Amino acid sequence: EVQLFESGGGLVQPGGSLRLSCAASGITFSDYAMTWVRQAPGKGLEWVSSISAGGDSTSYAGSVKGRFTISRDNSKNMMYLQMNSLRAGDTAVYYCVKDWARYISGLFDYWGQGTLVTVSS
Amino acid sequence: EIVLTQSPGTLSLSPGQRATLSCRGSQTITYLSWFQQKPGQAPRLLFYGASRRATGIPDRFSGSGSGTDFTLSISRLEPEDFALYYCQQYDTSPWTFGQGTKVEI
Repeated sequence: EVQLFESGGGLVQPGGSLRLSCAASGITFSDYAMTWVRQAPGKGLEWVSSISAGGDSTSYAGSVKGRFTISRDNSKNMMYLQMNSLRAGDTAVYYCVKDWARYISGLFDYWGQGTLVTVSS
Repeated sequence: EIVLTQSPGTLSLSPGQRATLSCRGSQTITYLSWFQQKPGQAPRLLFYGASRRATGIPDRFSGSGSGTDFTLSISRLEPEDFALYYCQQYDTSPWTFGQGTKVEI
C-alpha cells in the first residue's frame, strides 16, 4: 500500500521560512517523480513544484519560483520543500503527491493527507 | 497556461440519479485526469487519460471527451459519491486544475 506522510507544517510569520517533509512507503521511491500540490482554505488545488525520480530535474509554479526549493533523498525515501520569504497567500494545506513516472509527467496517482501551513503575524 | 473551467459549480441531486460534470479547456488537451475529494481528505484519482479508470474506481463512474471538452459521469449516485470533483490537465506545465464541481444532496 502506498503511503505518503507530510510533516513540518505550522504557523509562521510573513517573510519567514519553513521546511516541509514527505515520507514515502509502499513504493520504490527512487522510481518515481514526486510533487507538491497545495490547497488554500476553502479553495481549489494548485500545483506547486515537482522533482524527477533522480532529482536531476525540477519545476516550479511561477507563484513560488525563486522562493521555494524542492529536493529529495532517495536513500531515506524522503522529499522536501524548503519555503522561504513566505507570504499570506502561501497559507494552504500542502499535499505530497506521487507521479506515475520517473520523469515529471503531471499524472498524480497517490496523495498524502497534507500538512497545514499558516502564514500570519 | 491552460485554464480549465468546470461546470456547473454545484450539482444538487439525489441518490440513484445520474450526475454529469463538465470540464472545458482553454486549448486542446490530450492528457486529463479527474479527482474526487471528500471533506478533510486528500484528492483521489478517478480517471487519467480522460477515460482510463484508476485502480479500485467503481464502474458507475465513467470519463469521456477529447479536444477541449471532457465529461465525468456517475450513472447512479451512491451516498459516498457526494463530494468535490476536480479535473486536471497534464498536457503542458504548469499542470492546472479546474475550480471544482460540488455534487451535493
